[in-house]
Amino acid sequence: DSGVTQTPKHLITATGQRVTLRCSPRSGDLSVYWYQQSLDQGLQFLIQYYNGEERAKGNILERFSAQQFPDLHSELNLSSLELGDSALYFCASSAALAGGGETQYFGPGTRLLVL
Amino acid sequence: AQTVTQSQPEMSVQEAETVTLSCTYDTSENNYYLFWYKQPPSRQMILVIRQEAYKQQNATENRFSVNFQKAAKSFSLKISDSQLGDTAMYFCAFTIPNRDDKIIFGKGTRLHILP
Repeated sequence: DSGVTQTPKHLITATGQRVTLRCSPRSGDLSVYWYQQSLDQGLQFLIQYYNGEERAKGNILERFSAQQFPDLHSELNLSSLELGDSALYFCASSAALAGGGETQYFGPGTRLLVL
Repeated sequence: AQTVTQSQPEMSVQEAETVTLSCTYDTSENNYYLFWYKQPPSRQMILVIRQEAYKQQNATENRFSVNFQKAAKSFSLKISDSQLGDTAMYFCAFTIPNRDDKIIFGKGTRLHILP
């Protein structure tokens, strides 16, 4: 158990819908990262938050957004869902801001299926 | 562009044998961190081992060790006395400090440990 929790574990929805994925980082970790794992694209970095502020963006679609709250949990919002958004979405957390190469600990993931 | 290449999509070895997974990467940076993550059938991402690029000594964690060749940009993983529980997808990855903290992953090697 990494200490990172993600809810829900599974999500089935229809095209055009909007969903919210939630992540609670390990106790004390200030950085939260979101990754998408799909069959064709592999593991792709989406976005990073540090202590409530967006710090880095990767291959995140405009239909997707995220935020980190004062209690440090984070939510990833996916809207206008398409079939191709079906994937495993991971949240990871680490203790520090960039500079330390801190290890990122991954949550169990949320499996999203868009029908 | 920073990339990670894992040239072995799939491997199979007998239980108790030693197996080496290959990984090469490309970056112009001199300081970075390398990782091997394991993803068993449960889909959880588990850190196996970590190597700081500025350290010449190869990292080891119990039955897992790496052969880090910085000049060749090579970072292979050796699993000794392989066990059935080692069956998983293995991802080679790296991150560059003092920039965004995203982890860049390879496509993975699927490892089967046969009884």
